Amino acid sequence: ETGVTQSPTHLIKTRGQQVTLRCSSQSGHNTVSWYQQALGQGPQFIFQYYREEENGRGNFPPRFSGLQFPNYSSELNVNALELDDSALYLCASSLTSGDQYFGPGTRLLVL
Amino acid sequence: AQSVTQLGSHVSVSEGALVLLRCNYSSSVPPYLFWYVQYPNQGLQLLLKYTSAATLVKGINGFEAEFKKSETSFHLTKPSAHMSDAAEYFCAVSVNTGGFKTIFGAGTRLFVKA
Repeated sequence: ETGVTQSPTHLIKTRGQQVTLRCSSQSGHNTVSWYQQALGQGPQFIFQYYREEENGRGNFPPRFSGLQFPNYSSELNVNALELDDSALYLCASSLTSGDQYFGPGTRLLVL
Repeated sequence: AQSVTQLGSHVSVSEGALVLLRCNYSSSVPPYLFWYVQYPNQGLQLLLKYTSAATLVKGINGFEAEFKKSETSFHLTKPSAHMSDAAEYFCAVSVNTGGFKTIFGAGTRLFVKA
């Protein structure tokens, strides 16, 4: 049984660019949640997907969007990057409302 | 609205001493409560969770937490700290109000002195 994996591990972008982060869920998990963790802060909930549909969203603007695929892997897309988007992005997979298993994260730096 | 407050951004204890990390929550509906640990450059690992069963919850690595509804608290304790416990700890609340949402506290960094 493989755990949650994320790619890439690190990424550097410039303001205004777009970025796509990827997450591979733990085997059998049908739910994925994405979080933004700024330096020195707790993770902030971005949104959750359940069976390819958005199932909850935090206070993030529409330029943060996501997809969940039939194999339950997921993408987080961020358009028009801003300096404040620099953070560790975490995804977590779970089975419906069960325990969340976190990936190691993607560290994004926006210059 | 739901929120989580962790009292103390840094806590320092001696090896072998009691660990107490404080968490207070606010929720308009019965919450699920969690404690996670994060080691440097890693994701979060679940320590324990409260899901409306027993109010005293035992987790991994000797940690436990007690749900006190009257105090809206969910403090994390461990009787004897070990050097390997040094990490960042996050309290979180989850609710399903027409959509699932998890709110994390700002975290408490635990330092363990030899």
